[in-house]
Amino acid sequence: RKEVEQDPGPFNVPEGATVAFNCTYSNSASQSFFWYRQDCRKEPKLLMSVYSSGNEDGRFTAQLNRASQYISLLIRDSKLSDSATYLCVVIHYGGSQGNLIFGKGTKLSVKP
Amino acid sequence: ETGVTQSPTHLIKTRGQQVTLRCSSQSGHNTVSWYQQALGQGPQFIFQYYREEENGRGNFPPRFSGLQFPNYSSELNVNALELDDSALYLCASSLAGRGTEAFFGQGTRLTVV
Repeated sequence: RKEVEQDPGPFNVPEGATVAFNCTYSNSASQSFFWYRQDCRKEPKLLMSVYSSGNEDGRFTAQLNRASQYISLLIRDSKLSDSATYLCVVIHYGGSQGNLIFGKGTKLSVKP
Repeated sequence: ETGVTQSPTHLIKTRGQQVTLRCSSQSGHNTVSWYQQALGQGPQFIFQYYREEENGRGNFPPRFSGLQFPNYSSELNVNALELDDSALYLCASSLAGRGTEAFFGQGTRLTVV
């Protein structure tokens, strides 16, 4: 079983739609959580950190449920520019500085 | 731009050859991590360097090795290249400490034929 699992996708949605991505992680010692965005043939870029209290950045809302080991990302009012692959990422430190553990990613395609 | 630069951007090598990839970290960052991203997959952690020493390693064979230099730039070396080594190799730099953001370079796309 992969340490970070995401919805397989792809998600094809019309502009203006609301779309939700889900992610589960297997290591209960995981301590930091993120969503990264990766455009085609580009490097991943941090979209937002994820906290248990939930956090919002404009049209994007991220949520963490530690008990269920579940992370979500909600995108409201989708724009064409939101088309990308969304990567769920966790870190568990274990005495080191930790390394990013990525899910496979979910591809989002927003259509006019 | 993240300030993390990788070279070369593209590379074609023959099976069995050796390759060296380079990464210049963002100014002030002392930690460099390397990732391998195969087509259609998420990046996989190879190893991390902190203050010139390896500080963690993923599930990659010893033919994947690295270095970090006093200016915190880094190299990834791969010996005895295999076809499955074809991937995007990403370097990420960060400042030591929990929860600090990692910034990625644009990657080196390696093709092994």
